[in-house]
This record gives sequence, C-alpha cells and structure tokens, in this order.
Amino acid sequence: DVKVTQSSRYLVKRTGEKVFLECVQDMDHENMFWYRQDPGLGLRLIYFSYDVKMKEKGDIPEGYSVSREKKERFSLILESASTNQTSMYLCASRLDRTSNQPQHFGDGTRLSIL
Amino acid sequence: QKEVEQNSGPLSVPEGAIASLNCTYSDRVSQSFFWYRQYSGKSPELIMSIYSNGDKEDGRFTAQLNKASQYVSLLIRDSQPSDSATYLCAVNVLDQTGANNLFFGTGTRLTVIP
Repeated sequence: DVKVTQSSRYLVKRTGEKVFLECVQDMDHENMFWYRQDPGLGLRLIYFSYDVKMKEKGDIPEGYSVSREKKERFSLILESASTNQTSMYLCASRLDRTSNQPQHFGDGTRLSIL
Repeated sequence: QKEVEQNSGPLSVPEGAIASLNCTYSDRVSQSFFWYRQYSGKSPELIMSIYSNGDKEDGRFTAQLNKASQYVSLLIRDSQPSDSATYLCAVNVLDQTGANNLFFGTGTRLTVIP
C-alpha cells in the first residue's frame, strides 16, 4: 500500500510567520502534489512536482512555494502566513506523469493562521 | 465549463437502499476515472478505479463508465450509515505533453439514514 505521511495533523501559526508543511511518500513515486481544500471550493491544486528538483505552479500558487530536494519528500512553504491561508492542506503522490494510476493522499494538515 | 461535474447533494438514502452518485466530464479522451470517499475532517481515500466502459464491482460498490455519454457513476448497494461521507469523482485528462492531469469534482455529500 502507498503511504503518504504529512508531518502534522493540526497546526496553529501566527500571521506573518513562515510555515513549513512536510510530506513524505514511501513508494518511490515520481510525482507529488499539494492541494488545499475549503468548504464549497473543493480541492485546489497549489503546486506539483514531476521529479526531484522540479516544481510546477498549480491553480493557486500565490503566497506559497515548494521544495523537492529528495524524491520522497515534498515541502510546502507559506512565505508569510495570512489568515486567508487557514485551510486543510493535502499532499498526494502518484507513480509518474504518464501513468493512468490515481493519486494517493496523506491524512491532511489542518492549518489555522491567527 | 468545469472538467468534472457532480451534484453537490446532499443525497439522503435509507439504510439498506442503493445510493447512486453521478459524475459527468468534459474531455472526450479521458482514460481513467476514480472515486474517492472523504469522511468529514479526513483526507480523500481511493475506493474505485475504472478504465474501460461498463461496470466494475468491488463488494458493495459498483462503478459504471459510459465514455460515449461522458458519464461515470458509483452505486453503493445495501447502504450503511458508515457510508455517510462526501464522494469525489476524479478524471485523468491527457495534456499535449503526454502528462495525465487529474481533475476533481467538488463532491457529493451522502447521508445514510438508519
């Protein structure tokens, strides 16, 4: 079974802080993704990475950056947290970009920015 | 037009009934289709994948795909209160680079009434 692990289930930070959300997968997947999910808005793609050192902007990258120094780890960074970034953050991984396989999700991080 | 459309519900069915969840998609060349179940406050969990026209059964779940009508559905037989969740439809769409991009519907909330 694919295991995607997010470092924190719940996180509370203050406005202006730099926030790091970590995600690790154990299946040697090439692709990794970060989403946020808000009521009524569904899943929205923030950033994704097709391979180590690679990153691509998703639909809502503003205010975020990412890092993929190792294949198994994909970090989401909130450069200067704001209250409108309070959300559920979901990391996912997939075998590779041409694969017909689904994405597998971590347990999510519920982030509150005060 | 959204890539993937679902009726947001809520859909309520009595325990023991069949729950029918529907999804339409806009891209005719989509090749792979997925259903995820998401309990409140939790992350999406893959429950069904379907790749070819027709029905695919797994326990109480049946996924149905009709590519000509661009329609995929999920039937849950003998619905249980534990099936109460939001069900997300997801569709892989191939882009010009050959990469599969996964698009999610906003989900249908199902409530099974004891």
